[in-house]
Amino acid sequence: NAGVMQNPRHLVRRRGQEARLRCSPMKGHSHVYWYRQLPEEGLKFMVYLQKENIIDESGMPKERFSAEFPKEGPSILRIQQVVRGDSAAYFCASSPRDSGNTIYFGEGSWLTVV
Amino acid sequence: QKEVEQDPGPLSVPEGAIVSLNCTYSNSAFQYFMWYRQYSRKGPELLMYTYSSGNKEDGRFTAQVDKSSKYISLFIRDSQPSDSATYLCAPGGSQGNLIFGKGTKLSVKP
Repeated sequence: NAGVMQNPRHLVRRRGQEARLRCSPMKGHSHVYWYRQLPEEGLKFMVYLQKENIIDESGMPKERFSAEFPKEGPSILRIQQVVRGDSAAYFCASSPRDSGNTIYFGEGSWLTVV
Repeated sequence: QKEVEQDPGPLSVPEGAIVSLNCTYSNSAFQYFMWYRQYSRKGPELLMYTYSSGNKEDGRFTAQVDKSSKYISLFIRDSQPSDSATYLCAPGGSQGNLIFGKGTKLSVKP
C-alpha cells in the first residue's frame, strides 16, 4: 500500500538549469497538491491539480514555475532557470475525491541550487 | 495579522508529561483543522483531522477546536521520546489549500 511517491529525493542544479520534480499520488487518489517549504519557514501551498486540470494555482510564482498532472503518469512540478532562492523542500500531497481536507504528503524532494 | 500563528518553541518536556500545542488563526471561514507531525527531513504525517468546533480523541492525542476564539489545540498524553518532532497546525477551506503554521518543535527527554 504505497504512499505518495516523490522523486528525486534530492536534486542539485546549477543556476539557470531546469528542475523537474515528479509525484505519483496514493492509489485511488485523483487530487494532487504541491507545497514548498523554505528553510525556517512553514509549508506554503503552490498548486492543486486533478487529472489534466489545474484547479488552483494561486500559490505558484508567476514566472518559471509550472505544474501538470497528465492523464497518464505522475504529476510534474517544473522549475525553469533555477535561482538560489528556489532551494527548498518541495512536497507533493494527494487526496481521494470528496475527502474534505485529508491530504497525505510524500517524503519531499530537496532541491539545492548552487 | 498572520493567517496562522504558532509558537515555534522549542518545547522540551520530560517523558510521560502532558504536552499542549496551540495555534491561532484569523480566517473565520476555515472549517477543517489538521495537525501534522514532521520529523527532520521527512514529509508531514497527518495526525488528527477535525471538522468545525469540538474535540476529537485518538489514542494519546486529543485535538480541540474553538472557532469562537479561533484557537486550535493538540494535547499529547504520556509523551514519549518518539513524539519528538515538529508539530504543524493547518486550518483550511474545502479545496486542500491548507494554511500551515510554522510549527512547534517538541523534544521529549527520556
